[in-house]
Amino acid sequence: DQQVKQNSPSLSVQEGRISILNCDYTNSMFDYFLWYKKYPAEGPTFLISISSIKDKNEDGRFTVFLNKSAKHLSLHIVPSQPGDSAVYFCAASANNAGNMLTFGGGTRLMVKP
Amino acid sequence: GAGVSQSPRYKVAKRGQDVALRCDPISGHVSLFWYQQALGQGPEFLTYFQNEAQLDKSGLPSDRFFAERPEGSVSTLKIQRTQQEDSAVYLCASGREGNEQFFGPGTRLTVL
Repeated sequence: DQQVKQNSPSLSVQEGRISILNCDYTNSMFDYFLWYKKYPAEGPTFLISISSIKDKNEDGRFTVFLNKSAKHLSLHIVPSQPGDSAVYFCAASANNAGNMLTFGGGTRLMVKP
Repeated sequence: GAGVSQSPRYKVAKRGQDVALRCDPISGHVSLFWYQQALGQGPEFLTYFQNEAQLDKSGLPSDRFFAERPEGSVSTLKIQRTQQEDSAVYLCASGREGNEQFFGPGTRLTVL
C-alpha cells in the first residue's frame, strides 16, 4: 500500500512556462514533506521542504504548496529551464519515525527548449 | 566539503554470492539511512542508525540483509546469498538533525 503517490510518471513543459508536479499521501501522521531532484547515475538532491504547520514555502523559482485536508502537495517551478529536466521525488516523514523518508514513485520532468 | 560517498558504484554478483556495500557519510552527521531503489520506483527505506546504534531495521527485506555502523561513522550493508530480486540501486543518506537527508550517488547492484 503506497503511502505517497505521484500519479504522473512524466511531464513535458516548454522552457519558460510553469511546471507543476503533484503528490498525494495517505498517512495522516506525516508532518514534514520534501522534494528531491534526481539526475541519472546520481543520488537524489534535496530541493525544498515544507512543514505541516505551513501551506506554502518558496525558494527562488521553486514553491511547494501543502493542502493538508486533501493530503496533497505540489511543486511549482517557474520559469522552467532545460536544466530542470530530471526525475522529481516527493517524500514524507513523521517525527516519530526517526525521520525515515517515504518516497513517491517519481515524476520525470522534461523541459523543452 | 565532501558529500556522502558510496563504494563500489557498480557491483555485479552471481546469484548466491555475498556482497558488501560501503557508505561514508558526511563528517559529523549522526543519522545514517539505507534505502533500496528498484528500477522505475522511488527509494524504499531499509534501515536507520543514530551514531552506532541501529534504531530501526524494519525495512530490511529478509535476514539475508545486515547493516552495521560500528564506530558511528562508516556503514556497511551486507547482503548474503544474493538473489536476482536484490538487483537495485542502494542509496545511503546522512543527516545532522531535522529532516533533511543528504544522499550519496548509490551503488547499483546487479545479480545475475
